Amino acid sequence: GENVEQHPSTLSVQEGDSAVIKCTYSDSASNYFPWYKQELGKRPQLIIDIRSNVGEKKDQRIAVTLNKTAKHFSLHITETQPEDSAVYFCAASSFRDKLSFGAGTTVTVRA
Amino acid sequence: DSGVTQTPKHLITATGQRVTLRCSPRSGDLSVYWYQQSLDQGLQFLIQYYNGEERAKGNILERFSAQQFPDLHSELNLSSLELGDSALYFCASSKDSNSNQPQHFGDGTRLSIL
Repeated sequence: GENVEQHPSTLSVQEGDSAVIKCTYSDSASNYFPWYKQELGKRPQLIIDIRSNVGEKKDQRIAVTLNKTAKHFSLHITETQPEDSAVYFCAASSFRDKLSFGAGTTVTVRA
Repeated sequence: DSGVTQTPKHLITATGQRVTLRCSPRSGDLSVYWYQQSLDQGLQFLIQYYNGEERAKGNILERFSAQQFPDLHSELNLSSLELGDSALYFCASSKDSNSNQPQHFGDGTRLSIL
């Protein structure tokens, strides 16, 4: 099955700076890569996703890039704000295989 | 609001007991997924149902079982509860049976075993 590794496990950034989280996956058949944001005690919330036929996708301050050859994808958050503080999970799946999640990155935005 | 409804929000019970968690998927979604999230842990996939049938199985214990009813709501049954079963249980739903599409999560049920 798919194995997703996520780094770093914790990330502290100054408000206004950028944050980058990286994930690698093992199954070359994986073709769907969502990112979820989970605030303390809340549900995971889908914030952006990308498919394998696209190299980059952007939504306001959030962007995701995908390198199929290297089997890694990254989340970029620009101009970070206090409300960006949360745990972020990457995930990967193929047509038939279940969605596999990374272990999560705790992002803290310092005011 | 994701449109996925989970009840109850909180459950407190004792070891050895049995509980049932309920999930109603978003309108139009046919797949339901169950996940377990222990303290400071990631999301562990338990099981998926699609249109009433079991579709995929993950790390689900034999003491746990699930089903999806004709109205598409799903129930997760946990029996012979142990202290280690204390966790947040999330349900998610998606449109069809394929895994490569957005899953939308409910607010979860927090299960505490005393």
